[in-house]
Amino acid sequence: GENVEQHPSTLSVQEGDSAVIKCTYSDSASNYFPWYKQELGKRPQLIIDIRSNVGEKKDQRIAVTLNKTAKHFSLHITETQPEDSAVYFCAVNGGATNKLIFGTGTLLAVQP
Amino acid sequence: GAVVSQHPSRVICKSGTSVKIECRSLDFQATTMFWYRQFPKKSLMLMATSNEGSKATYEQGVEKDKFLINHASLTLSTLTVTSAHPEDSSFYICSAESEETQYFGPGTRLLVL
Repeated sequence: GENVEQHPSTLSVQEGDSAVIKCTYSDSASNYFPWYKQELGKRPQLIIDIRSNVGEKKDQRIAVTLNKTAKHFSLHITETQPEDSAVYFCAVNGGATNKLIFGTGTLLAVQP
Repeated sequence: GAVVSQHPSRVICKSGTSVKIECRSLDFQATTMFWYRQFPKKSLMLMATSNEGSKATYEQGVEKDKFLINHASLTLSTLTVTSAHPEDSSFYICSAESEETQYFGPGTRLLVL
């Protein structure tokens, strides 16, 4: 089955710096790659997603890049703010199905 | 739009009892809903895919007789944890699919004593 690896597990940055989180996956049939932000005790919130027909997508300070050949995709957050502090999960759809397989999560801490 | 609710938000029960958790899509219809389990500081683990009007599809290692799923309408899926034991204590989260995107409920924290 699909295997999703996420790095780093923790990331601490200074306010205003950029943060990058990377995920790799194993199933070449996967074609949907969302990123979720989860604050402590809250539900995961979709922040950006990308499908396999594009290589990059941007929404204000957040961007996602996809390399299908290498089977990895990354989340980029620019001009980080303290409210960006949370756990971020990447996910990959299970090939022919719509079920999502989640990465292990990255705890992002933005220091003011 | 795409709001998902879950009830209850937290529940404490005695070992051996059954607990039912409801997941509702409030402003859209969802033929597919998903149930996840999340341990503290861990990732979301998919338990099963709930399909309206048909049997749920369980992930490997998840006991279907232990975790009963019913998806009787396009806006409601239920997860029943039968004969709960302390090891079933966890955070259970559902999601509902709308236009190929999954939206999550707020989760249910289950504590089995």
